[in-house]
Amino acid sequence: DAGITQSPRHKVTETGTPVTLRCHQTENHRYMYWYRQDPGHGLRLIHYSYGVKDTDKGEVSDGYSVSRSKTEDFLLTLESATSSQTSVYFCAIQPSGGDGELFFGEGSRLTVL
Amino acid sequence: AQKITQTQPGMFVQEKEAVTLDCTYDTSDQSYGLFWYKQPSSGEMIFLIYQGSYDEQNATEGRYSLNFQKARKSANLVISASQLGDSAMYFCAMREGGGGSYIPTFGRGTSLIVHP
Repeated sequence: DAGITQSPRHKVTETGTPVTLRCHQTENHRYMYWYRQDPGHGLRLIHYSYGVKDTDKGEVSDGYSVSRSKTEDFLLTLESATSSQTSVYFCAIQPSGGDGELFFGEGSRLTVL
Repeated sequence: AQKITQTQPGMFVQEKEAVTLDCTYDTSDQSYGLFWYKQPSSGEMIFLIYQGSYDEQNATEGRYSLNFQKARKSANLVISASQLGDSAMYFCAMREGGGGSYIPTFGRGTSLIVHP
């Protein structure tokens, strides 16, 4: 058990509303990632973090922002949700000193109507 | 250009048979790592196996092995003695570079169905 929890696990919201997904880890790993998974696209990186207040963009970052004020929490925010952001969102941690393998949270299914 | 290519959207295999899932990659780095993940229908993502670019032997983890052919830039996953529980999506991934943040890039996945 990698000690990663995501919340909420399921959310339905309307276009234009703000949404925040939370990723919480219990093991103080430095690197954390947010991916989205869509059919036919695999997993695509949205944002990642390499420490408190240290974040950077991934390949599909438009429309998303992140924050990491504590080691254990990595928040993903959709400032104004759109239907194209309907997806399954995965948070992952990457243990330092490993080979680069990721350990994932359970996923958060977001539906934007 | 895609860095990870999985050309098989779907694969079928008979229970107890072996199956190979294809993965090719594109990188100019000398140091890189290759990974396979499993996603059963329940949705979680599970790390299966890792191969480093400098590893001379193919990685193995139980019934999983990685057929690493560096010159061909391929990193195929071989599952021996398939079981019904192996039915899942399988993703190949690569991280480039040998230090600092390893940011994995994923392929689009292969759906494996194991028939009884």
